[in-house]
Amino acid sequence: AQSVTQLDSQVPVFEEAPVELRCNYSSSVSVYLFWYVQYPNQGLQLLLKYLSGSTLVKGINGFEAEFNKSQTSFHLRKPSVHISDTAEYFCAVSNAGKSTFGDGTTLTVKP
Amino acid sequence: DAGVIQSPRHEVTEMGQEVTLRCKPISGHDYLFWYRQTMMRGLELLIYFNNNVPIDDSGMPEDRFSAKMPNASFSTLKIQPSEPRDSAVYFCASSPGLAGTYEQYFGPGTRLTVT
Repeated sequence: AQSVTQLDSQVPVFEEAPVELRCNYSSSVSVYLFWYVQYPNQGLQLLLKYLSGSTLVKGINGFEAEFNKSQTSFHLRKPSVHISDTAEYFCAVSNAGKSTFGDGTTLTVKP
Repeated sequence: DAGVIQSPRHEVTEMGQEVTLRCKPISGHDYLFWYRQTMMRGLELLIYFNNNVPIDDSGMPEDRFSAKMPNASFSTLKIQPSEPRDSAVYFCASSPGLAGTYEQYFGPGTRLTVT
């Protein structure tokens, strides 16, 4: 069985500030890790993924995430956010087809 | 590539009516997923298929919901009879599976309103 916990349901931040969205996971087997973004009235889009190798992965729109096996975490970061980054962000784990999604974190970027 | 295509984009129907949602996955993808999203319950996996075969339908709320995938390029989710509590956004997603490490590609969703 696998599960995902997104530790913050809402994260407000000012424009150009750094942000971190936290994600912890549990699984009895090796998994693939993902972050997805959902803009209003749209479907989810893949932001980045961790498969193996380097623990720091870079995605679209300047986002990056770091895989920490010992802490079973996969936190998402961006050094300077824009108004257009306002969206809901989902962390997910996958093994053998099915993905388990977290409850989502709403990132609100204020001017 | 047109991505995952869903129709209709919006559906308004009266309680008791049958509703059919349609999905065309990305060509070559082996997996197809149906999700429901509401403010109260978040994103819920209803059912998923692998090579057109239903693998896990444990998320289907009740017998009023059924899903089919007659071929690799088409799937339907049917609700009969519909109820107001079925109002939600329904997403279809497809995945290349192991070849693509299971990342999912979502359609734009169908917003269903049952009055």
